Amino acid sequence: KNEVEQSPQNLTAQEGEFITINCSYSVGISALHWLQQHPGGGIVSLFMLSSGKKKHGRLIATINIQEKHSSLHITASHPRDSAVYICAAPTGTYKYIFGTGTRLKVLA
Amino acid sequence: KAGVTQTPRYLIKTRGQQVTLSCSPISGHRSVSWYQQTPGQGLQFLFEYFSETQRNKGNFPGRFSGRQFSNSRSEMNVSTLELGDSALYLCASSLGSGRNYGYTFGSGTRLTVV
Repeated sequence: KNEVEQSPQNLTAQEGEFITINCSYSVGISALHWLQQHPGGGIVSLFMLSSGKKKHGRLIATINIQEKHSSLHITASHPRDSAVYICAAPTGTYKYIFGTGTRLKVLA
Repeated sequence: KAGVTQTPRYLIKTRGQQVTLSCSPISGHRSVSWYQQTPGQGLQFLFEYFSETQRNKGNFPGRFSGRQFSNSRSEMNVSTLELGDSALYLCASSLGSGRNYGYTFGSGTRLTVV
């Protein structure tokens, strides 16, 4: 069992839909990262959060440290949101543990 | 400010050759970590350097090595390349511990071994 699990693995949505990606982890962490990777490879950091909720534009991330669960929501999804979304846990041993990623495709 | 810069962006090498990849972190960042991404294995941690010292190493063979210079720039080297080394290699930098500050990623070097 992976220490960081994401669901779903693949997601296809119609433009405008509300999207939720979930991340559960078993490692003890104080914060969680949500990352976005577009075709071509570069990774962009979306959020780093340790409690509650953060919002940036149409993206919202929530975390419950006690329940070891985080969600990434995309409101009013758009084809340019198509990417792989990865949750990552920075550990005390100077590295990330990554989720398996959620491949999102938003259709126009 | 400039982001994390990786060079080259693309590389094609022949089996048995060696390769060196470069990563320039964000100015002021002293931690650089390296990751390998393949379709089958996803993102895997290679190693992490802080102030020229390797602090942690992933589960990769000794053909994979790295170093960090006094200006925090880092290089990773892969010797005796194998077809399975074809991957996207990403580096990420952080102010100190990524646990506290998070990491900023570069755009990666896509290595193809033929």
